[in-house]
Amino acid sequence: DAGVTQSPTHLIKTRGQQVTLRCSPKSGHDTVSWYQQALGQGPQFIFQYYEEEERQRGNFPDRFSGHQFPNYSSELNVNALLLGDSALYLCASSSSRGATDTQYFGPGTRLTVL
Amino acid sequence: SQQGEEDPQALSIQEGENATMNCSYKTSINNLQWYRQNSGRGLVHLILIRSNEREKHSGRLRVTLDTSKKSSSLLITASRAADTASYFCAYYDYKLSFGAGTTVTVRA
Repeated sequence: DAGVTQSPTHLIKTRGQQVTLRCSPKSGHDTVSWYQQALGQGPQFIFQYYEEEERQRGNFPDRFSGHQFPNYSSELNVNALLLGDSALYLCASSSSRGATDTQYFGPGTRLTVL
Repeated sequence: SQQGEEDPQALSIQEGENATMNCSYKTSINNLQWYRQNSGRGLVHLILIRSNEREKHSGRLRVTLDTSKKSSSLLITASRAADTASYFCAYYDYKLSFGAGTTVTVRA
């Protein structure tokens, strides 16, 4: 049973560029949440997707957008990258039919913006 | 901004010793969860304690919750080198809200 997977593992971009991160949820899960974790900090909630719709959103600018596909996988897009966007981006999945408060995290994508 | 606060920020102990870390939060919660993170990678769910529980055990982990003080503690007994990691508390209100974490180093 595959857990949550994310790609790529590492990514280096320059300011102003755009980036797309990908996430496949744990088998049987239909809800995907994205978190940003700056160095030395705890993860911060970006948004959550369910039934291909953004259901909840944290305090992040519109430069951060996402998408969920019919197979429940998800993408996080960040436009006009800033140096401050350098962080570990974590994807977490959960099931709407089970314990929605228990989320399973992927290994993360380390984004460096130069 | 972080929604909870862990104390201490960092902890260094000898293998075999116990490690205790505390978490304070500011809102009413249904449950509090603890996660472990190794080397800046993904988070691993350790234990969940519900608001009507005061104490919960899982292997070498013991978690307490005091909703009147809005605080929780995580105790790791008989620590091992593999316990070296960052530990985060989090509560769920449609999303997980994390503290800044406690970094634990277990010396061999």
